[in-house]
Amino acid sequence: EIVLTQSPGTLSLSPGERATLSCRASQSVSSSYLAWYQQKPGQAPRLLIYGASSRATGIPDRFSGSGSGTDFTLTISRLEPEDFAVYYCQQYGKTFGQGTKVEIK
Amino acid sequence: QVHLQESGPGLVKPSETLSLTCTVSGGSISNYYWSWIRQPPGKGLEWIGYIYYSGSTNYNPSLKSRATISVDTSKNQFSLKLSSVTAADTAVYYCARVDPNSGSYDWGQGTLVTVSS
Repeated sequence: EIVLTQSPGTLSLSPGERATLSCRASQSVSSSYLAWYQQKPGQAPRLLIYGASSRATGIPDRFSGSGSGTDFTLTISRLEPEDFAVYYCQQYGKTFGQGTKVEIK
Repeated sequence: QVHLQESGPGLVKPSETLSLTCTVSGGSISNYYWSWIRQPPGKGLEWIGYIYYSGSTNYNPSLKSRATISVDTSKNQFSLKLSSVTAADTAVYYCARVDPNSGSYDWGQGTLVTVSS
């Protein structure tokens, strides 16, 4: 089974700053099958990015995804107050990374 | 737009079997994979397994011996049974539809299941 490792565990940033989140796979993952989700307390996760770099419907363009093979990145260009949450990567319908919490500094 | 709703007991006794059903509305259960995921309080997401509408399944190896996922196409539902539960199985359980092209999820709202005597 593919293991996804996210780093850092926690990212402390201020609104307006840039956030860079990493997801590393234990073996190569097809870019078509790498997704990113945002989760806020008490809510189900929300799809942000699919196919490694395609934004889901209604997702602002400050969110972008990139990467291939074993290394993938989620970038939030300028943090808005509503972006402080936990972010997960996932490979095709199966395993998740352990999450990165983006908190207000 | 598809809507998924989990249902089942919110409290299960240790050593018993947890049973949940996901009802799909706004779309057919056919031609998709359907997944169960859980999240213990304060922890991350754990994939339990998924089922194709035809009945083929794939499970997380760590839960394979205790989890059974089934589908009822006539009711547009799929279900999860998790046997021999312990307090470690206390979690919010989510059902989800798997996009066939990307593998990404459309999520239900989740339901909290507590294992306690």
